[in-house]
Amino acid sequence: EAEVAQSPRYKITEKSQAVAFWCDPISGHATLYWYRQILGQGPELLVQFQDESVVDDSQLPKDRFSAERLKGVDSTLKIQPAELGDSAMYLCASSLAGPLRMNTEAFFGQGTRLTVV
Amino acid sequence: GENVEQHPSTLSVQEGDSAVIKCTYSDSASNYFPWYKQELGKGPQLIIDIRSNVGEKKDQRIAVTLNKTAKHFSLHITETQPEDSAVYFCAASTHRNTGFQKLVFGTGTRLLVSP
Repeated sequence: EAEVAQSPRYKITEKSQAVAFWCDPISGHATLYWYRQILGQGPELLVQFQDESVVDDSQLPKDRFSAERLKGVDSTLKIQPAELGDSAMYLCASSLAGPLRMNTEAFFGQGTRLTVV
Repeated sequence: GENVEQHPSTLSVQEGDSAVIKCTYSDSASNYFPWYKQELGKGPQLIIDIRSNVGEKKDQRIAVTLNKTAKHFSLHITETQPEDSAVYFCAASTHRNTGFQKLVFGTGTRLLVSP
């Protein structure tokens, strides 16, 4: 069964350091999402891609966070510099959904648990 | 933008009882409502979804109801089992603003089923 792959599963970093997360969506899925999930809360959308284009990054802290999906397939989310408040689970999801199409299921990866010390 | 509220935050039931989780949404343009189950240390997994042209959907022990007028939808789990214990999230999806599906999640309900 096809899955969304994320790496690493766990990451511990010191504050002010740079950290990067990688996501490989299910093959053929044009939409890719990055969510942040703070312990005990629901996922919050950071950035959404349609193919290689960003369609929503309104909640992305752009002074320290960046995301790219250069070839419209896998994606990288970067934080530089990391702050203590960035400690959270970072989830990647993908779906077949396209512009104004019928909504479709979003499949989530296992996530990357980030701890900033 | 869309805002999704979810209640209760925790729910404890005895095995075999029913569990109900309720969500409300704010954006009348939302037209897709999935429910996800998240086990410890894992990503959310879809368990059931409903579209705005349907009022109810059932899949074995799980059912979801949608009231578009009141902007609320609910998850019903019957004959609960210990393996149903997890955190459940509702979500609402709209194409407003960007023209692409955007999922907004509730805050989650921790369900504990005791043997």
